[in-house]
Amino acid sequence: AQSVTQPDIHITVSEGASLELRCNYSYGATPYLFWYVQSPGQGLQLLLKYFSGDTLVQGIKGFEAEFKRSQSSFNLRKPSVHWSDAAEYFCAVGAFGDYKLSFGAGTTVTVRA
Amino acid sequence: DAGITQSPRHKVTETGTPVTLRCHQTENHRYMYWYRQDPGHGLRLIHYSYGVKDTDKGEVSDGYSVSRSKTEDFLLTLESATSSQTSVYFCATQQGQSYEQYFGPGTRLTVT
Repeated sequence: AQSVTQPDIHITVSEGASLELRCNYSYGATPYLFWYVQSPGQGLQLLLKYFSGDTLVQGIKGFEAEFKRSQSSFNLRKPSVHWSDAAEYFCAVGAFGDYKLSFGAGTTVTVRA
Repeated sequence: DAGITQSPRHKVTETGTPVTLRCHQTENHRYMYWYRQDPGHGLRLIHYSYGVKDTDKGEVSDGYSVSRSKTEDFLLTLESATSSQTSVYFCATQQGQSYEQYFGPGTRLTVT
């Protein structure tokens, strides 16, 4: 069965500090992966994606993520967070040929001044 | 951004009444999806469509039906609303080979 786990429900980080959000997946086929961000009261916005190739991918808003097949992980990072990064972040995984996504439960990020 | 609108944006209804949510897209995307978002569960797929009149169930389809008579519109119907269907509902579209899904702004539904 396919599953996506985001182990951290809530993370608090100081403005200017680094941020790392974890995502682990369990998939039988070769996956493709996304990170989405949701600001309060808004829909989801795509931050970045991994399909193949270079395992370190760059996204919008200064985010990057690294795909590690051996660890079944796709962790999201940002070197220096801004107050506007306070939001909920979702990892999503799919399989090639299957046009459905499985989402993790989300991680809420709070940024303190 | 894909042009995706959802209507209504907010709705309060009573238990046992039928409810229809509408998703409209202007991007001519082939695939369309309905999700519900609940705390601690992330997004869960209700139904999806891979073309006009072609739909299939997702993981939480009980109590929901869908219809897609035109490429641009995907309707989600709660046949007889229950309090457990209180949620935020999101529509998404996908062009096809890109695998990227684009999301609408959501509909907050409260069933009293």
